[in-house]
Parts: sequence; structure tokens; C-alpha cells
Amino acid sequence: AQSVTQLGSHVSVSEGALVLLRCNYSSSVPPYLFWYVQYPNQGLQLLLKYTSAATLVKGINGFEAEFKKSETSFHLTKPSAHMSDAAEYFCAVSNRDDKIIFGKGTRLHILP
Amino acid sequence: EPEVTQTPSHQVTQMGQEVILRCVPISNHLYFYWYRQILGQKVEFLVSFYNNEISEKSEIFDDQFSVERPDGSNFTLKIRSTKLEDSAMYFCAGTRGRPITDTQYFGPGTRLTVL
Repeated sequence: AQSVTQLGSHVSVSEGALVLLRCNYSSSVPPYLFWYVQYPNQGLQLLLKYTSAATLVKGINGFEAEFKKSETSFHLTKPSAHMSDAAEYFCAVSNRDDKIIFGKGTRLHILP
Repeated sequence: EPEVTQTPSHQVTQMGQEVILRCVPISNHLYFYWYRQILGQKVEFLVSFYNNEISEKSEIFDDQFSVERPDGSNFTLKIRSTKLEDSAMYFCAGTRGRPITDTQYFGPGTRLTVL
């Protein structure tokens, strides 16, 4: 069965600093991988997804993620944090069916 | 931009009561989903629905749960006899195509509190 593990339930970075949110996956077949963001009182919004094309995936709001099969990782990065990036971020995996399995989420705090 | 809406935003109910959570998906979407998120835990898949029938469901989605799309616009989740452990945030989502090839659009959620 597939699963994702997000390292760190809370991450704090200073405004302008690099954002790195870690995600490791487990899957018996080549996975599809996703990052979602959830702002307060809103639903989940897709940031980016990996579907076996380029290993470096660019998403919205300046975020990107790199699929590393050897490390079973799909970490999310952004070069320079902005106050508006404060939110909860979810990594998710799918075995190419209609079910998406989410991680527990990482709350990103941006320090002024 | 079209969006998924959910009502109510917060539902409080007594244990054993039936609740119906409502969702209005984006009009040209064909695949529909319910997820739940217990406070402090991860988002969990409940069920997917396509062509007026359940296409997949998780082990959480037992006989107490049901879904339907009664009028071609609303997509509902019914919990027949609520338990304390059903307290969670419930999210509706939809896609035009399969979620692997298409983006899932989520609603803002309904917070269900079972007393």
C-alpha cells in the first residue's frame, strides 16, 4: 500500500529564506505525487504534481518539487519565503488509481 | 473562477443522529470525492463517485455512510447514525477527468462536531 511521510508537523522560516518541506513516499508501483496547500478556512489547492514526466516539477506561487526515486523523496521548495506562504502543506501519493493518499501535513510559519 | 461550495460550514449533532453534508461541485465536473480530516490528523480518502455510482471507497466508508447525487448538481454525504469519532472536517472534491490527469478542486469543508 502506498503512503507518504512528511517530516516536521511545523516548520518556521524567515521571510525571504529558503522554504524546504520534506516528503518521503512508499509505493509498490511508480507513483504519482502531489503537493497541496490549505489556507485557513479554505479547501485544499493543488500546488504541483509529478506524473512521471520531468523529475523537477514547477508549480504555482514559485514552488517546485523534485522527484528522487533513489531517495523515495518529493521535497517541496521555494527559494524565497513570503508572508502569504503561511499555510498547511500536504504531500500526497497515488498508485495511478482514483485514490489519493495524503500525508499528515506540515504547517509553515513565516517569521518577519 | 468557478468553485466548489459546501454547506453547512459547521454542523453540530448529537451522537446517533443522521447528518447530511452537502456539496455543489463545479458544473462540468464528472468525478466526485469525499475526504475527511480528523483534527490534527491527515486527510483521508472516503469515497469516489462517477456516473452515479461509487467507483472506490475506503475501509472508513462503512454501512453508516452513503453518497448520492440526487439532482445532478448537489453531491451529498449522509452519515446514518453518527458516532463521536465521526467528528472531523469533511471535504468534497471534484474533477472533470480522472484525478491523475486532471486537477482535483476541493471545497472549503464542513466541520462536523458530534456530541
